[in-house]
Amino acid sequence: GAGVSQSPSNKVTEKGKDVELRCDPISGHTALYWYRQRLGQGLEFLIYFQGNSAPDKSGLPSDRFSAERTGESVSTLTIQRTQQEDSAVYLCASSQTSVQETQYFGPGTRLLVL
Amino acid sequence: AQKVTQAQTEISVVEKEDVTLDCVYETRDTTYYLFWYKQPPSGELVFLIRRNSFDEQNEISGRYSWNFQKSTSSFNFTITASQVVDSAVYFCALSEGNQGGKLIFGQGTELSVKP
Repeated sequence: GAGVSQSPSNKVTEKGKDVELRCDPISGHTALYWYRQRLGQGLEFLIYFQGNSAPDKSGLPSDRFSAERTGESVSTLTIQRTQQEDSAVYLCASSQTSVQETQYFGPGTRLLVL
Repeated sequence: AQKVTQAQTEISVVEKEDVTLDCVYETRDTTYYLFWYKQPPSGELVFLIRRNSFDEQNEISGRYSWNFQKSTSSFNFTITASQVVDSAVYFCALSEGNQGGKLIFGQGTELSVKP
């Protein structure tokens, strides 16, 4: 079956612009997670969804970052007024439920802010 | 607070050597899960294993084996008879029982297997 997909795969933007990153989870997976991976670093948790509610937003680095999810489907991560330090790979993962089930990752969106 | 430490930043071995990747974790929870993921040069994370805190049995899957020791808070990963295709960054991760499943990752170990 289809895995997690993300779009775009690459995004180059100018400082100060807004960007939207999209994630399509595996069909039937109720939990969805966003992570950020800076160059040469491990992954940092940003936010997770159970259905379309977000019980844990603790990893969002600032109020410029927001995310939403439609039902148990697509999620969008929005970064407003991008800064150079936002440059990273943004990874999305989904799992069948939220409780320590295995998370399956998408290929990521590589964001470069000039 | 929860934390995962992978002290080995880079490891280089020659094909057919055995190699062990270390992972040490910190948590105050009694219920937690540990994971290993592989990130090849293509970038996509590949799931390798998930263990819960109540199961300390070691696991073997082909050339891969995992040693979970609660007494030392370690979950080490061994590749036997390494191959060039094993070259990747390997991440250890922790998920606590009351945290909704979010993963806390170590910094990763970059393994290079040379022919």
